[in-house]
Amino acid sequence: DGGITQSPKYLFRKEGQNVTLSCEQNLNHDAMYWYRQDPGQGLRLIYYSQIVNDFQKGDIAEGYSVSREKKESFPLTVTSAQKNPTAFYLCASSARANYGYTFGSGTRLTVV
Amino acid sequence: EDQVTQSPEALRLQEGESSSLNCSYTVSGLRGLFWYRQDPGKGPEFLFTLYSAGEEKEKERLKATLTKKESFLHITAPKPEDSATYLCAVQPSKSSLGFKTIFGAGTRLFVKA
Repeated sequence: DGGITQSPKYLFRKEGQNVTLSCEQNLNHDAMYWYRQDPGQGLRLIYYSQIVNDFQKGDIAEGYSVSREKKESFPLTVTSAQKNPTAFYLCASSARANYGYTFGSGTRLTVV
Repeated sequence: EDQVTQSPEALRLQEGESSSLNCSYTVSGLRGLFWYRQDPGKGPEFLFTLYSAGEEKEKERLKATLTKKESFLHITAPKPEDSATYLCAVQPSKSSLGFKTIFGAGTRLFVKA
């Protein structure tokens, strides 16, 4: 079955450490997105990519970095510059810009 | 400023008690409005896309409608398995980010048997 796979499901980060969240899709979608979800708030866009080797900053890109070397993969790195990284991170993809998104099952990141 | 507001924040219903969730939006032109369902600890699941005022979409006990200012998600005779958070999202036709989608904070629905 086609879909988006995020890993790991749970991730713990120590102070000063960089961590990478994986996102893989087999839907042949061009566009991929990373969102952050905090309690009581709407999803906020971190980065998005419309095509391989190209990505754009979203509303809250500071402290995060991404790459898009393959159509299927869009990993997110949470760097030590992100001071409040504890949140639920969601990866999504879409076939076209005005189509609904397919989301992964999310990664819950906690700072320890 | 583009904005999406969902109400109520939480809604408690008895099984079979029909109701509606509201999504009000302010955007500079609408490319599309989306509804998603999210279960605890999981990613959102796509439900509907609406593109123009007057459009309606249905799926089982759910029906989504759209006007120029808001959208409603009507739930007819809900069952306990309909309990979830329902997210509304809007994609403006004019955005500096090109394909930005703005999400509301969601309505948490609880259906008691």
